[in-house]
Amino acid sequence: GQNIDQPTEMTATEGAIVQINCTYQTSGFNGLFWYQQHAGEAPTFLSYNVLDGLEEKGRFSSFLSRSKGYSYLLLKELQMKDSASYLCAVTDSNYQLIWGAGTKLIIKP
Amino acid sequence: IAGITQAPTSQILAAGRRMTLRCTQDMRHNAMYWYRQDLGLGLRLIHYSNTAGTTGKGEVPDGYSVSRANTDDFPLTLASAVPSQTSVYFCASSTNRDSSKLFFGSGTQLSVL
Repeated sequence: GQNIDQPTEMTATEGAIVQINCTYQTSGFNGLFWYQQHAGEAPTFLSYNVLDGLEEKGRFSSFLSRSKGYSYLLLKELQMKDSASYLCAVTDSNYQLIWGAGTKLIIKP
Repeated sequence: IAGITQAPTSQILAAGRRMTLRCTQDMRHNAMYWYRQDLGLGLRLIHYSNTAGTTGKGEVPDGYSVSRANTDDFPLTLASAVPSQTSVYFCASSTNRDSSKLFFGSGTQLSVL
């Protein structure tokens, strides 16, 4: 079956760096997305990786290794507003989007 | 402001009642989707539409139906609601169903008693 694994919850300190991992097993691969979802709100797009390597966008970076079925989202200079759930999702060979359950990130002052 | 509008924001519904969740987008996106989100689970696709006039079943379609009469509207109907359909429902759209990013509506919190 198809599966996306990510930690349920992580805690980090304001100003620090945190890495949220995502591993996947899917039938084919056509891209990996990260979305941010604040409590009670809709998910919003953060990043997209289709080739191996690091994509940097301001304080956020996303890395992909297709051979390892692995990605991570790196958040630098953490701010209180970064407290949210981070959802990893993979597009399979049929362009079906498979979602992880999300990682709840708690930022402490 | 361009985007996706969902209605209602929340609803409490008696089991056995019929309910339609509305979704409208003004971005002229071809593809639209309905997801449900339950605690501890990833977003699960209920139905999707690649373009106006076509629809398809997702991962959890039973008990739900959709229509896509035009590009902008994609309503989701629960013919006879059951308590297991208590969830948060998100409508989303994308330019095409081919790895393009999704834009989500603000969600509908539905409770079936």
